[in-house]
Amino acid sequence: GNSVTQMEGPVTLSEEAFLTINCTYTATGYPSLFWYVQYPGEGLQLLLKATKADDKGSNKGFEATYRKETTSFHLEKGSVQVSDSAVYFCALTPDGGGSNYKLTFGKGTLLTVNP
Amino acid sequence: NAGVTQTPKFQVLKTGQSMTLQCAQDMNHEYMSWYRQDPGMGLRLIHYSVGAGITDQGEVPNGYNVSRSTTEDFPLRLLSAAPSQTSVYFCASSRDRGRSGGYTFGSGTRLTVV
Repeated sequence: GNSVTQMEGPVTLSEEAFLTINCTYTATGYPSLFWYVQYPGEGLQLLLKATKADDKGSNKGFEATYRKETTSFHLEKGSVQVSDSAVYFCALTPDGGGSNYKLTFGKGTLLTVNP
Repeated sequence: NAGVTQTPKFQVLKTGQSMTLQCAQDMNHEYMSWYRQDPGMGLRLIHYSVGAGITDQGEVPNGYNVSRSTTEDFPLRLLSAAPSQTSVYFCASSRDRGRSGGYTFGSGTRLTVV
């Protein structure tokens, strides 16, 4: 079946540090890939997405590139802020038709950014 | 737009009680899902629906029922609450199987079963 593996946290950084959160997936074909963010006490928000190989998703200074050859979708940000402190989830929806659309999540990575 | 609205935000139940978690969306999305979030487990799919009148089970359906009588509403029913159902529950909806636009999530219901 489909699966998503992301680096376990927690990750603690100082403000303005570089961030990488690794994500790899297992799925057939060309799934759509997503990063969701969950701020404390809130629901999940879509951060960025990529729907085909070599696509780069970007939003709020975060970037991730869909790498088919390595089945990866690593999240990066050049300079994190305290307000980026949250839990980050990598996720996929599978390729294919019918009702095969379920969103599969990684377990989440808690990021804490200190001033 | 309100997006996805979940009620209540918090609930405490006694073991054996039943209740319904409400979910409504105003985006005319066909696809709706319920997830539970537990520490160290990520999010797990409970039930989902691909349109009004059509529902199916996800990874962890036991102890939960759903129905989809309208496009807008997708309530989740706990039949006889157990402490193992203590969790945060999220409802989500999508226009196109989540392929291009991803899913829109509600703000969650935190349920405690004592």
